[in-house]
Amino acid sequence: DAGVTQSPTHLIKTRGQHVTLRCSPISGHKSVSWYQQVLGQGPQFIFQYYEKEERGRGNFPDRFSARQFPNYSSELNVNALLLGDSALYLCASRPTLPGGGYEQYFGPGTRLTVT
Amino acid sequence: GQQLNQSPQSMFIQEGEDVSMNCTSSSIFNTWLWYKQEPGEGPVLLIALYKAGELTSNGRLTAQFGITRKDSFLNISASIPSDVGIYFCAGDRTNFGNEKLTFGTGTRLTIIP
Repeated sequence: DAGVTQSPTHLIKTRGQHVTLRCSPISGHKSVSWYQQVLGQGPQFIFQYYEKEERGRGNFPDRFSARQFPNYSSELNVNALLLGDSALYLCASRPTLPGGGYEQYFGPGTRLTVT
Repeated sequence: GQQLNQSPQSMFIQEGEDVSMNCTSSSIFNTWLWYKQEPGEGPVLLIALYKAGELTSNGRLTAQFGITRKDSFLNISASIPSDVGIYFCAGDRTNFGNEKLTFGTGTRLTIIP
């Protein structure tokens, strides 16, 4: 079975630009979460979506937004990029069927570099 | 943002040695998860714990959900070279309606030849 997939794998942007990152969850998973991982730290929660609705938001500015599509894939958008937005952006999906666990499965991430 | 306290920060061990690391929080969690991350990759789930006091094994890995629900422990027995990486604990309060994972600061495991 395919795991969580993310695109692109690497991205270089300039300050002030906008970026869109994409994620496809594991088949059958309806919940998608986004995390930011700065070098040397653990991942930090950004958003969680379930059935196309935002269910949770971390402590990130309004420059960060996301959405989920009918096929449960998701996009993370970041506007007005800052140097500090350089990080590995991780997408995770979680089973939501009855009896499904609470574990989240991560994709390989998108490495964003802002220059 | 909040991160759980994970210790030790790094470990240098010889192949064959056992490893222990722990994670503590000031808040209660309903689920504890342990992940391993290698350079340039996403975290890979190792063990999930759902009940206070639970002890769960996955091969050479054993993890425990602390009785207070504020801590968790991971042990690796007879370490091998492929155990090298960064280990993260993560807490989940899903039963409280919040699916956000809060991660620890990570333990970097290095095996000395």
